[in-house]
Amino acid sequence: DGGITQSPKYLFRKEGQNVTLSCEQNLNHDAMYWYRQDPGQGLRLIYYSQIVNDFQKGDIAEGYSVSREKKESFPLTVTSAQKNPTAFYLCASSSGQGRSQGYTFGSGTRLTVV
Amino acid sequence: DQQVKQNSPSLSVQEGRISILNCDYTNSMFDYFLWYKKYPAEGPTFLISISSIKDKNEDGRFTVFLNKSAKHLSLHIVPSQPGDSAVYFCAALRSGSARQLTFGSGTQLTVLP
Repeated sequence: DGGITQSPKYLFRKEGQNVTLSCEQNLNHDAMYWYRQDPGQGLRLIYYSQIVNDFQKGDIAEGYSVSREKKESFPLTVTSAQKNPTAFYLCASSSGQGRSQGYTFGSGTRLTVV
Repeated sequence: DQQVKQNSPSLSVQEGRISILNCDYTNSMFDYFLWYKKYPAEGPTFLISISSIKDKNEDGRFTVFLNKSAKHLSLHIVPSQPGDSAVYFCAALRSGSARQLTFGSGTQLTVLP
């Protein structure tokens, strides 16, 4: 079955450490996205990539970095520069065909800074 | 500046009755709207969408209405079922956009048995 896999589901990080969240898709989608969800604030776009080896900053990119070396993979690194990293992180992808499909989301990673 | 707003953070409805979730937007460049449903600790799943050239789209128990002049859309669920209890996100696409969705803050729907 095609889909998006995010791992791990839960992640704990000590202050000052970088941590990388994995996102893999086998849907052959061109575009991939990272969102952050905080209570009462909906989903905010961190980074997105429309094609391999290219990515763009979203609304809240500070303290995060990404790479897109393969079509299937779009890992997100939460760096020590991110002041409030505790949140639920969602990865999504979309195809280049039409607009009705919207996004396909992964099941998310909950990151907690301890 | 929130371009997509869901002003009701929560809504409770009796099973079998109608649920109406509302969404307002400010950017007149938005021309495609989607609703997503999200359970705790899971990713959102696509529910229903509507193009700005339409004012209504129906899919089973779910109907989305769009009022372009008021920049308002609503999702109607009839009849509501306990399994519908979830957070519902409204999202919008700009014309010409490379599918970058702008999301509202979500509404927690609770359907009471």
